[in-house]
Amino acid sequence: EADIYQTPRYLVIGTGKKITLECSQTMGHDKMYWYQQDPGMELHLIHYSYGVNSTEKGDLSSESTVSRIRTEHFPLTLESARPSHTSQYLCASSALSNTGELFFGEGSRLTVL
Amino acid sequence: KNQVEQSPQSLIILEGKNCTLQCNYTVSPFSNLRWYKQDTGRGPVSLTIMTFSENTKSNGRYTATLDADTKQSSLHITASQLSDSASYICVVSDRGSTLGRLYFGRGTQLTVWP
Repeated sequence: EADIYQTPRYLVIGTGKKITLECSQTMGHDKMYWYQQDPGMELHLIHYSYGVNSTEKGDLSSESTVSRIRTEHFPLTLESARPSHTSQYLCASSALSNTGELFFGEGSRLTVL
Repeated sequence: KNQVEQSPQSLIILEGKNCTLQCNYTVSPFSNLRWYKQDTGRGPVSLTIMTFSENTKSNGRYTATLDADTKQSSLHITASQLSDSASYICVVSDRGSTLGRLYFGRGTQLTVWP
């Protein structure tokens, strides 16, 4: 079982609020990712990191930001949430290898009213 | 354009029956293909990985095949169980290096009825 944890699992907030989704892994993986997943659609990469102090934007345009101050921690922040941000957010990590298996957290389901 | 297409979009079968899920891809270059299982409300979990030289690989009741010439993969589930109800996602990697990209299919939603 993967040792990667996301909090909160569920969050309902009002428009304009600032939120941070937490993600932590205890596997010592260098690579970490944030994906957005909507029902019936493929996962879309919104941010990734190759290691401490490394962050990159993914394929899907996002108003969120991330930080990687510690290897095990990769939080995602929305400064001002909007209803269009309602979605499932999945955090994942992987080791630096050619096979690149992703280990996912349980996900954070965000609803913005 | 690099794409991963899965079929069928959804599938309902009776417990104990077999089923086959399809994945066609246009990703190039190709490094590997993974099948993930995603239970409702959970994150995806890897079932199997197929590299260029592999044709068939089994993991319990799951058997994956890969035809690198036609760029097709299948996931066969034998003697289905209620716990097999999930979304099955095909993911293709283009280089397998640190900078390699991953391409995701939309998944096949499998429902197993008793």
